[in-house]
Amino acid sequence: DVKVTQSSRYLVKRTGEKVFLECVQDMDHENMFWYRQDPGLGLRLIYFSYDVKMKEKGDIPEGYSVSREKKERFSLILESASTNQTSMYLCASSSATGRGDYGYTFGSGTRLTVV
Amino acid sequence: RKEVEQDPGPFNVPEGATVAFNCTYSNSASQSFFWYRQDCRKEPKLLMSVYSSGNEDGRFTAQLNRASQYISLLIRDSKLSDSATYLCAVMNSGGYQKVTFGTGTKLQVIP
Repeated sequence: DVKVTQSSRYLVKRTGEKVFLECVQDMDHENMFWYRQDPGLGLRLIYFSYDVKMKEKGDIPEGYSVSREKKERFSLILESASTNQTSMYLCASSSATGRGDYGYTFGSGTRLTVV
Repeated sequence: RKEVEQDPGPFNVPEGATVAFNCTYSNSASQSFFWYRQDCRKEPKLLMSVYSSGNEDGRFTAQLNRASQYISLLIRDSKLSDSATYLCAVMNSGGYQKVTFGTGTKLQVIP
């Protein structure tokens, strides 16, 4: 089974801090995604990447950036954390070639609180 | 109109009951469809893909109606362990397997 690992389960950061969320997958998946999940709003796509060094904006990219230097690792960066970025952050990966039927595998999530 | 819409519920059903959820989508060019299950404070997990011909996995049946642009999930003989939030997901054309999720339907199976 593919495993997607997020580096932290819980994080508390101060307003204005630069925050790094790391995600690693071990199944050689081409596609990786960052979502945030908020009550009543569901999962919203922040950024995704379909290859090393490639990135595309999702629906809510403002205040975030990403990095994909290696195929297995996709990092989400909050340039200057704000309280409205308090949320559950979920990383996911999927195969571009149809293995696993294109379904996503999610990491266990990082619950970020910005104070 | 939201791209993917679900009734948030909650659906409170007794053990052993049959329950069905629908999910509507707005983009007629959507290619692939999925149901995910999410337990409280956990990540979503893929429950099943939804094929044009419909598909079944044990007590779970998923169907796609392209003409009316909705997918459905039927759970037969509900178990307490089925209590969770069920998210539908739609993949549109345009590459990269980008998926839009519904906000989920909460199911509570009661003894």
